[in-house]
Amino acid sequence: KNEVEQSPQNLTAQEGEFITINCSYSVGISALHWLQQHPGGGIVSLFMLSSGKKKHGRLIATINIQEKHSSLHITASHPRDSAVYICAVRSGAGSYQLTFGKGTKLSVIP
Amino acid sequence: EAGVTQFPSHSVIEKGQTVTLRCDPISGHDNLYWYRRVMGKEIKFLLHFVKESKQDESGMPNNRFLAERTGGTYSTLKVQPAELEDSGVYFCASSQGTRSSYEQYFGPGTRLTVT
Repeated sequence: KNEVEQSPQNLTAQEGEFITINCSYSVGISALHWLQQHPGGGIVSLFMLSSGKKKHGRLIATINIQEKHSSLHITASHPRDSAVYICAVRSGAGSYQLTFGKGTKLSVIP
Repeated sequence: EAGVTQFPSHSVIEKGQTVTLRCDPISGHDNLYWYRRVMGKEIKFLLHFVKESKQDESGMPNNRFLAERTGGTYSTLKVQPAELEDSGVYFCASSQGTRSSYEQYFGPGTRLTVT
């Protein structure tokens, strides 16, 4: 069974700061997802990656398969980035089930 | 294109009552998933449909939970009888095709409160 750990659990940043959220997992995976949930809102998929790095706007996600570790970076953070960021992994080829981390609550202060 | 929709958005019921949650996946998505987040815990997998068939129901907590997907379109998740520990947010997601690499799209969730 895969264990997914995220850090930090809570993060407060000033607007404009560079933010990093980390995710580590215990067992090899076929894919890793970064998800975003705004207060009272649904879950939005930000990235799905199995190797390397992906970038979308001010968001960057990286994964190191050997280290079993992924990071989500937000450049030039903005108050609208305030949300819970969740890491989820899919273990092994052919597996559909996602295992989730507990999430990182980000608050960006103007 | 419409996303994954869930109904109701919020349900408050008393212990012992029955509640039915509904999920409408993105049109054409064969795969449908149910997840649940209870207070203070991580989101956990409940089950996975491929069309109308249950592919994996290993996450269903007990036999008070019944999921159906008649006709391979929308799905329902019935909790009968509801217990206090069933409170939480129930998410539905869908993905297309049969390859497990396809991205999952999540619905807004149904917040269930059992009093």
